[in-house]
Amino acid sequence: AQKVTQAQTEISVVEKEDVTLDCVYETRDTTYYLFWYKQPPSGELVFLIRRNSFDEQNEISGRYSWNFQKSTSSFNFTITASQVVDSAVYFCALSEEAGGTSYGKLTFGQGTILTVHP
Amino acid sequence: DAGVTQSPTHLIKTRGQQVTLRCSPKSGHDTVSWYQQALGQGPQFIFQYYEEEERQRGNFPDRFSGHQFPNYSSELNVNALLLGDSALYLCASSETELDTEAFFGQGTRLTVV
Repeated sequence: AQKVTQAQTEISVVEKEDVTLDCVYETRDTTYYLFWYKQPPSGELVFLIRRNSFDEQNEISGRYSWNFQKSTSSFNFTITASQVVDSAVYFCALSEEAGGTSYGKLTFGQGTILTVHP
Repeated sequence: DAGVTQSPTHLIKTRGQQVTLRCSPKSGHDTVSWYQQALGQGPQFIFQYYEEEERQRGNFPDRFSGHQFPNYSSELNVNALLLGDSALYLCASSETELDTEAFFGQGTRLTVV
């Protein structure tokens, strides 16, 4: 069964600090995708990044970067030079290939509430 | 280009009643998924519709049912509402059944009293 764990319930930082959100996942599949979503108070989940199980190369996209390590089943997400507008709930999610028919089911972690203070 | 739209935004129902939530996918998308998000929790997958058929289903009772129309819009129906059904219901659409990128609507906040 697939499972996603975000051990950090809440994180509070001061603007311009770097912050890393942790995510650990469990899956039996060899083909899967990992995601990070942001949920502002409006409620809409906003897609941030995606990584497939065959690509462990870590990248930087603007102020966002991620560290994917299959050996430890971790997919951590870092925001550099945080801003007040980054305050939101962040979700890590996993999607497995459902018998080759669909990746539609996303399994989410419990979320991490990030508060960035001015 | 309109994104995923859901209606209504808020709804209050009485225990035992039935409710229907609606979702219009992003233009060009033919696959719709529904999620339930209880307060302080991550979204839980309810089911996915593609080609007007339920393709995958999460661990939800039969009280939760859905439908997809020829224009790809979708409805989520919940019968015999329980207090525990109070949650934010999110609809997501993707370009195809195999597409991994899902776009979410703002959700419908259902309160059961």
